[in-house]
Amino acid sequence: GENVGLHLPTLSVQEGDNSIINCAYSNSASDYFIWYKQESGKGPQFIIDIRSNMDKRQGQRVTVLLNKTVKHLSLQIAATQPGDSAVYFCAENGSSGNTGKLIFGQGTTLQVKP
Amino acid sequence: DAGVTQSPTHLIKTRGQQVTLRCSPISGHKSVSWYQQVLGQGPQFIFQYYEKEERGRGNFPDRFSARQFPNYSSELNVNALLLGDSALYLCASSLPGQGNEKLFFGSGTQLSVL
Repeated sequence: GENVGLHLPTLSVQEGDNSIINCAYSNSASDYFIWYKQESGKGPQFIIDIRSNMDKRQGQRVTVLLNKTVKHLSLQIAATQPGDSAVYFCAENGSSGNTGKLIFGQGTTLQVKP
Repeated sequence: DAGVTQSPTHLIKTRGQQVTLRCSPISGHKSVSWYQQVLGQGPQFIFQYYEKEERGRGNFPDRFSARQFPNYSSELNVNALLLGDSALYLCASSLPGQGNEKLFFGSGTQLSVL
């Protein structure tokens, strides 16, 4: 079945360290992946996306890596700041190929210690 | 520019009642999607509308319905509310016709069913 999952429910890091959040997906038909950040009381906020024809994409302080061989996605946050504390979700477009219909994982809570 | 706006922000209903949630997409966005997010889980796809036509439906009962208006705003209706319908309902919009377009979320409507 279709599943997007995260390996760890909670990640605690020291301010200034790098964070790595992992995600596993099972639908080989997915060709578009997105990372969202969700703070308490807010909707998911777009962070970065990647298409299946790429294996790495960089943004401001964030990098997404895609390994299609093992169906693995990761989000790297450089120099983690207290404002990065939130729940992070990976999502895929599944066999529909339609990004209006995303499949989300359960999320990883990132806690940044000052 | 205004983001995706949803109303109301919070709502309390009792079992068996009906509820209507409203969403205004980002200006220029013609696609609207609805998601349900239960506490502690990732958002789950309910509906997508594009140019006032239903483009996709998730695994939700017929008690859930939606529509999109000529100005691309949308309503989600839930009839015969159950306790399990208590959740954060998220609306998201995207740019038209570009394939894997980014999905932008509103802050949601928190529905509590008593």
